[in-house]
Amino acid sequence: KQEVTQIPAALSVPEGENLVLNCSFTDSAIYNLQWFRQDPGKGLTSLLLIQSSQREQTSGRLNASLDKSSGRSTLYIAASQPGDSATYLCAVTGAGSYQLTFGKGTKLSVIP
Amino acid sequence: GAGVSQSPSNKVTEKGKDVELRCDPISGHTALYWYRQRLGQGLEFLIYFQGNSAPDKSGLPSDRFSAERTGESVSTLTIQRTQQEDSAVYLCASSFKASSGGTNEQFFGPGTRLTVL
Repeated sequence: KQEVTQIPAALSVPEGENLVLNCSFTDSAIYNLQWFRQDPGKGLTSLLLIQSSQREQTSGRLNASLDKSSGRSTLYIAASQPGDSATYLCAVTGAGSYQLTFGKGTKLSVIP
Repeated sequence: GAGVSQSPSNKVTEKGKDVELRCDPISGHTALYWYRQRLGQGLEFLIYFQGNSAPDKSGLPSDRFSAERTGESVSTLTIQRTQQEDSAVYLCASSFKASSGGTNEQFFGPGTRLTVL
């Protein structure tokens, strides 16, 4: 059974810092990996999707990497802003299936 | 274009009552998913619909839970004889069909917060 772990569970940084969020998964047979952000009381916003054949994806100040063989992904946020404060979720789709298996998330607070 | 919409946004019910939650996927998305997010826990997969294929119900926690989908549009999730442990945020997502070469990127609605008293 696929398990997804996110470390740390919570992170607080001063505005302007670069930061890295970590995600690991136990079964490397994945179809893709998706990073989401969730704001309090809101649904999930898709940030980046990396297919199993890719190594990284970039969108603005966000960069996500994937090392499928070691079961790891990182989300790099450059020049953090208070508006980046949210919970960041990592999820994988297993090969041969379509549902997402989620980690419990990292709650990020960017202090002005 | 319009995203995934869900209704109601909040639902408070008494233990033992039945509830229906609704999801409208993004137009053109053939795949639809239901997930549940209980307080302090990660999102759990419930059920997946793809076109006219039989749904994948492997995530439904009990036979009190059921879901239907009309063609490739609206879906309803029904919980019968609700229990307090059913209290959660129920999230719906949709995507293009993965096997057609798409990325299977899932887009989520805002969720329905269910509280069972």
